[in-house]
Amino acid sequence: LAKTTQPISMDSYEGQEVNITCSHNNIATNDYITWYQQFPSQGPRFIIQGYKTKVTNEVASLFIPADRKSSTLSLPRVSLSDTAVYYCLVGVLLFSGGYNKLIFGAGTRLAVHP
Amino acid sequence: NAGVTQTPKFQVLKTGQSMTLQCAQDMNHNSMYWYRQDPGMGLRLIYYSASEGTTDKGEVPNGYNVSRLNKREFSLRLESAAPSQTSVYFCASREDSGGYTFGSGTRLTVV
Repeated sequence: LAKTTQPISMDSYEGQEVNITCSHNNIATNDYITWYQQFPSQGPRFIIQGYKTKVTNEVASLFIPADRKSSTLSLPRVSLSDTAVYYCLVGVLLFSGGYNKLIFGAGTRLAVHP
Repeated sequence: NAGVTQTPKFQVLKTGQSMTLQCAQDMNHNSMYWYRQDPGMGLRLIYYSASEGTTDKGEVPNGYNVSRLNKREFSLRLESAAPSQTSVYFCASREDSGGYTFGSGTRLTVV
């Protein structure tokens, strides 16, 4: 399983764009990149997932360069409610009857200030 | 639409006591997982079940047992609780090609 490295913490202000970069130098060909968000006293919540280039949904964007050795989660115009821990995970995403075994690191603690 | 339901939400045990944490999902997911999260740390995988009738060890299985009772339910048992097992326990399920859905967690304290 590929190891990931993220900043331990980040600070931002309401209305700003936040970019959290994750390093995964040993990513394998079949690995997908997934990001989760966790609020205090809650389980992690799936945010976004991608394999290469750019993925966008209603919550965030995920940028993956061609070599796939890193990825960047972009949160547009953050609010106080985006204060949470963000986890970058890398693992095989098996389809139809398969399973994966994603390993969580320590994550990035994002604090959004007024 | 309940998602993943864990019981109990809180529990205090004395060292050496046993208990079972219950988890049920109503999304018809094949795979289910048990994680523990210690303060300030990420989640560590205890056991997982790829499908009904199968279970496998994760990163930190010692001191735990699991049972995949049916497709909906995946329980975690502590046979003889130790203070080192004080943690927050999360159950999750996953659709085959998608992300995990986590329960709200069980806060366990072993004294």
